[in-house]
Amino acid sequence: NAGVMQNPRHLVRRRGQEARLRCSPMKGHSHVYWYRQLPEEGLKFMVYLQKENIIDESGMPKERFSAEFPKEGPSILRIQQVVRGDSAAYFCASSPLNGPGAYEQYFGPGTRLTVT
Amino acid sequence: GNSVTQMEGPVTLSEEAFLTINCTYTATGYPSLFWYVQYPGEGLQLLLKATKADDKGSNKGFEATYRKETTSFHLEKGSVQVSDSAVYFCALKRGGSEKLVFGKGTKLTVNP
Repeated sequence: NAGVMQNPRHLVRRRGQEARLRCSPMKGHSHVYWYRQLPEEGLKFMVYLQKENIIDESGMPKERFSAEFPKEGPSILRIQQVVRGDSAAYFCASSPLNGPGAYEQYFGPGTRLTVT
Repeated sequence: GNSVTQMEGPVTLSEEAFLTINCTYTATGYPSLFWYVQYPGEGLQLLLKATKADDKGSNKGFEATYRKETTSFHLEKGSVQVSDSAVYFCALKRGGSEKLVFGKGTKLTVNP
């Protein structure tokens, strides 16, 4: 069973461009979480999604950031008009709804976004 | 609000030394507590957890005990190995919420 996949692993964007980060959860997992890690900081929760539904977006900045988890395909974290302060590592986690490990979060390797 | 405070790093030890990484928390209610480990270039892996007071989580020789009276969840290992070199994160999850609240992480380097 492959782990949580994230791509790209490294992404460089100029200020004002858009960044799209993808997360494919583990097989059978229906919940996805996004976290951001700024330099020298711990991970900060951004958003929690189920298929086609945002459950908790209390950690998402109000502007420029959006997330989706469609019925088919990966979850996408989208950052419009990136600024230097968006440079960070973005981690995705997934969890199953039922069974052993229900709601236990399994993390991907992260996408390191650099805004120049 | 909910928060986790971890011992500042980096921590450098010799192989077979005793390890303690301190973690204290502030939370409403009775959170679940976790230690995650991040090896270079990889995502976070759950190392151990405890869901109620006085529970002891353990895995791969690491242990941590949920101490409600001191609001602490210190990570310990009796004899570290070079392969334990990584960044360790303490985290909590409040009941009724699925979001993890992390400390800043402690980088551990173990020298042969």
